[in-house]
Amino acid sequence: GQQVQQSPTSLVLQEGENAELQCNFSTSLNSMQWFYQRPGGSLVSVFYNPSGTKQSGRLTSTTVIKERRSSLHISSSQITDSGTYLCAIGSNAKLTFGKGTKLSVKS
Amino acid sequence: EAAVTQSPRNKVAVTGGKVTLSCNQTNNHNNMYWYRQDTGHGLRLIHYSYGAGSTEKGDIPDGYKASRPSQENFSLILELATPSQTSVYFCASGDALGGRDTQYFGPGTRLLVL
Repeated sequence: GQQVQQSPTSLVLQEGENAELQCNFSTSLNSMQWFYQRPGGSLVSVFYNPSGTKQSGRLTSTTVIKERRSSLHISSSQITDSGTYLCAIGSNAKLTFGKGTKLSVKS
Repeated sequence: EAAVTQSPRNKVAVTGGKVTLSCNQTNNHNNMYWYRQDTGHGLRLIHYSYGAGSTEKGDIPDGYKASRPSQENFSLILELATPSQTSVYFCASGDALGGRDTQYFGPGTRLLVL
């Protein structure tokens, strides 16, 4: 089956530092999506990015299909960025999730 | 923004009892999904549906049934609950139009089976 690996599993930053989250997948895909989850909360879509680079504010997602990887870059991190970031690859209307990167941003 | 609601939000059940988790979506998506989230495993797909009357097995369907009586509603049924089914359950809806495979998630249900 499809495999999705995320790294690092956890990350601690000082406020203002940048973060680079990685997602690697083992099979071809139709879609790639990044989600954000606050502790005890639900999942909120951050990016839908099956290929190329997309930016939204301080967040940038880059997906390179032939290398089977996607990254999420957070610049100038803020305390409110803390939470878990999950990537998911989509195929045939189903998503397969990675286990997530837990980000903690401290003042 | 798509609206997906779940009930109950919290549930305590006894081993061997029957549990029904309900999900409602108001964005007219064809597809609906049930996941469970556990530490160390991430989100895993239990059952999903392509429309009213259809249910499909996901990656971990054992011990669970699903029901899709209408476009808006999708239920997850634990006929004989076991402590291993203690988890957080998420419902999602999506339409996969143009191959996008995007999904919108409900707030989750915390289930404790004693």
